[in-house]
Amino acid sequence: NAGVTQTPKFRILKIGQSMTLQCTQDMNHNYMYWYRQDPGMGLKLIYYSVGAGITDKGEVPNGYNVSRSTTEDFPLRLELAAPSQTSVYFCASSYSRGATIKQYFGPGTRLTVT
Amino acid sequence: QKEVEQDPGPLSVPEGAIVSLNCTYSNSAFQYFMWYRQYSRKGPELLMYTYSSGNKEDGRFTAQVDKSSKYISLFIRDSQPSDSATYLCAMSADNNDMRFGAGTRLTVKP
Repeated sequence: NAGVTQTPKFRILKIGQSMTLQCTQDMNHNYMYWYRQDPGMGLKLIYYSVGAGITDKGEVPNGYNVSRSTTEDFPLRLELAAPSQTSVYFCASSYSRGATIKQYFGPGTRLTVT
Repeated sequence: QKEVEQDPGPLSVPEGAIVSLNCTYSNSAFQYFMWYRQYSRKGPELLMYTYSSGNKEDGRFTAQVDKSSKYISLFIRDSQPSDSATYLCAMSADNNDMRFGAGTRLTVKP
């Protein structure tokens, strides 16, 4: 299993540009998440999905959009990039059954908006 | 007041020491509590998961939740240099919308 993969690893955007951060998992997990992590800070949830076709907002959804057309893929779209969106973006997937939870994070995408 | 408070450290201990990491929170609806380890420039990895109050042990790691005090802890016994990382607490009311602490940077010196 590759686990959770994210592309690209790094990206520099100009203010006002748009881009899509890709996230794919091969573990057949229903739950997927997008987080951002600013320097010296914890993670903040942007959006999450409990299954294909279902998405919901997290703590900081403004300026982002997501879709979940398949179990495997959960892309994050940035429209009209702003300097405040400079951050490291992590995608995660998880599985739970009873008292057992398994959660896996991707390696992250480092985004700079200038 | 932040919803989740975590002392950022840094914390430095000698190899073999017992490490105590803590978080406090303000939202009494939180039921799910997690601890993550994050190495530099890597994604977090889930270490411990606890539902509601109580203790949970996994090898050298013990997680404790005291809901009456809104206080959670992670203990690491016999700490190793490989434990050097940032430790993040996280908690949620619904097991999806997790709220994270800022993380505590730990260094275990040989």
